[in-house]
Amino acid sequence: GAVVSQHPSWVICKSGTSVKIECRSLDFQATTMFWYRQFPKQSLMLMATSNEGSKATYEQGVEKDKFLINHASLTLSTLTVTSAHPEDSSFYICSASGGTSGGLNTQYFGPGTRLTVL
Amino acid sequence: GESVGLHLPTLSVQEGDNSIINCAYSNSASDYFIWYKQESGKGPQFIIDIRSNMDKRQGQRVTVLLNKTVKHLSLQIAATQPGDSAVYFCAETLQGAQKLVFGQGTRLTINP
Repeated sequence: GAVVSQHPSWVICKSGTSVKIECRSLDFQATTMFWYRQFPKQSLMLMATSNEGSKATYEQGVEKDKFLINHASLTLSTLTVTSAHPEDSSFYICSASGGTSGGLNTQYFGPGTRLTVL
Repeated sequence: GESVGLHLPTLSVQEGDNSIINCAYSNSASDYFIWYKQESGKGPQFIIDIRSNMDKRQGQRVTVLLNKTVKHLSLQIAATQPGDSAVYFCAETLQGAQKLVFGQGTRLTINP
């Protein structure tokens, strides 16, 4: 149980275009979803926390107009990187909490999406 | 802000030996801790968790130890196997809070 999927697993886009990444909880209802980015050989950096039906809460330094987050249902959240630039190239990972297994605050992570902006 | 590491500490062990991965957490008020395993190109995978009212918890081949006095967490992996090769992250949070704060991670390499 507690499976989280992401789509696409990798994407290459041109500078200036927008890219949408989907995060789905497959077998549980995720009241909260999180979006992280991870640079090579570094830890996960939280970008934003998204509660279903509410506006996302962004971490300091994360541009909310550039990284649009939508959490319209208990099983789906999307991250749209708008006007992507090469410095946005990274590994984007979502997680979801709200499953019945695991302990409090347990987040179940998706497999990640590798974004490369040319 | 969240932990950002400029490089990953590396631990190399012989296959079959026990591995001990250490983590120093930052917030003395944190009361819930989780270890994650991340294989290359994949998302983190939950391994084991522990609440602050415990100092030890065992799972299948893994044991987590918590020392609140020195804000130290460790993950012990028994009889390390090639499939254990990955980066291991500790994460801390407050029960009831939503955010996790991740440590910098340790790369575990298994020598045949």
